[in-house]
Amino acid sequence: DAGVIQSPRHEVTEMGQEVTLRCKPISGHNSLFWYRQTMMRGLELLIYFNNNVPIDDSGMPEDRFSAKMPNASFSTLKIQPSEPRDSAVYFCASSPGTSGRAREADTQYFGPGTRLTVL
Amino acid sequence: KNQVEQSPQSLIILEGKNCTLQCNYTVSPFSNLRWYKQDTGRGPVSLTIMTFSENTKSNGRYTATLDADTKQSSLHITASQLSDSASYICVVSFSGGYNKLIFGAGTRLAVHP
Repeated sequence: DAGVIQSPRHEVTEMGQEVTLRCKPISGHNSLFWYRQTMMRGLELLIYFNNNVPIDDSGMPEDRFSAKMPNASFSTLKIQPSEPRDSAVYFCASSPGTSGRAREADTQYFGPGTRLTVL
Repeated sequence: KNQVEQSPQSLIILEGKNCTLQCNYTVSPFSNLRWYKQDTGRGPVSLTIMTFSENTKSNGRYTATLDADTKQSSLHITASQLSDSASYICVVSFSGGYNKLIFGAGTRLAVHP
């Protein structure tokens, strides 16, 4: 298995532009997570999907951020309009959830991340 | 408030030496505790997982301990190698809901030759 796939790996954009980050979870995993990582705040959960349904979006910073999961193999995180303070590494992670053994059900497998720079 | 605190913030050791990283948590109700390793430019990778009934777990040269009474965990690295240079993140699973993960800020370890 190729693991969690994210694209692009790097994104540089100007303030005000729309940014779309993409994620392909591990096949068969029921749960998908979007995180943001900065030096100041570490890893922060943005949103959690279970079976393609958003369960917890309390970490989404504001209305400029939106996430979708149209099917079990694809998710997007969109920022519109982007701001310099959005600069961070954005990780997507997936976990087996109820499809896995109990002990490993919530082990999260992270993608390589997208490094976003907003100028 | 559910929190995970790690110490030290950073650590430098010489290749071949041992080291111990600390984690204190206030997460309740608690489901399990993991240590993740994050190499520079990569996503975190799970090293060990322990439930409240387990007090030690090994993965090669990595040994994690857990004291659920004092809510403390440690990660001991034996005979360090240059490839151990990474951030080590303590992650506690909060079982009041969907097993949400609460992340520590991490300890940045540098192993020098």
